[in-house]
Amino acid sequence: QSALTQPRSVSGSPGQSVTISCTGSISDVGGYNYVSWYQQHPGKAPKLIIYDVSRRPSGVPDRFSGSKSGNTASLTISGLQAEDEADYYCCSYAGGNILRVFGGGTTVTVL
Amino acid sequence: EVQLVESGGGLVQPGGSLRLSCSASGFTFSSFAMHWVRQAPGMGLEYLSSVNNNGRSQYYADSVKGRFTISRDNSKNTLYLELSSLRGDDTAVYFCAKEIGPTHVGFGHWGQGTLVTVSS
Repeated sequence: QSALTQPRSVSGSPGQSVTISCTGSISDVGGYNYVSWYQQHPGKAPKLIIYDVSRRPSGVPDRFSGSKSGNTASLTISGLQAEDEADYYCCSYAGGNILRVFGGGTTVTVL
Repeated sequence: EVQLVESGGGLVQPGGSLRLSCSASGFTFSSFAMHWVRQAPGMGLEYLSSVNNNGRSQYYADSVKGRFTISRDNSKNTLYLELSSLRGDDTAVYFCAKEIGPTHVGFGHWGQGTLVTVSS
């Protein structure tokens, strides 16, 4: 099972919006509405910020939004804040006996 | 409050074995699928394995299939991962994670991780 493809890094100024793409295939991203996104600060455990493509867990700011088109999912961070500087990972359900596959991760830098 | 606490990591020689545990509290453990994910130093997240709520179905990434075994003891609210035939590239922080819910897909809660170092 191949990893999902994410850009290595994206950056933006405070208040701006950034979008992270996550490209898979019909076997994962394109085949199911089960994409999730995780935020990870250095030395910390990952934190779920989006599940089922576009749902936000309780307590996650609505600045974070998710979407999907075909085999590509996207995470948009609106109104970028300093504390959003972190690594972000997408993950998709992949069915069969594999179940899940992660993207390689994207580092978001707040300029 | 959901809490997941991993233990059992440490230094092990190549070819060796180790058993990781994940003690769960703050939720009805037997109602949720559970997972293991690892992160090698400086690298990204890697999905490893899942077990359904009653322990009867297990799933593995190709990279660990045949070497790692996931299991759970619902009477002890504990998830396990048996690691065998360990190699240097198995060196990583190993996280356990709880499924967000029965009809949704996402790793809703994570433990703090336990470090496994494979070296002679």
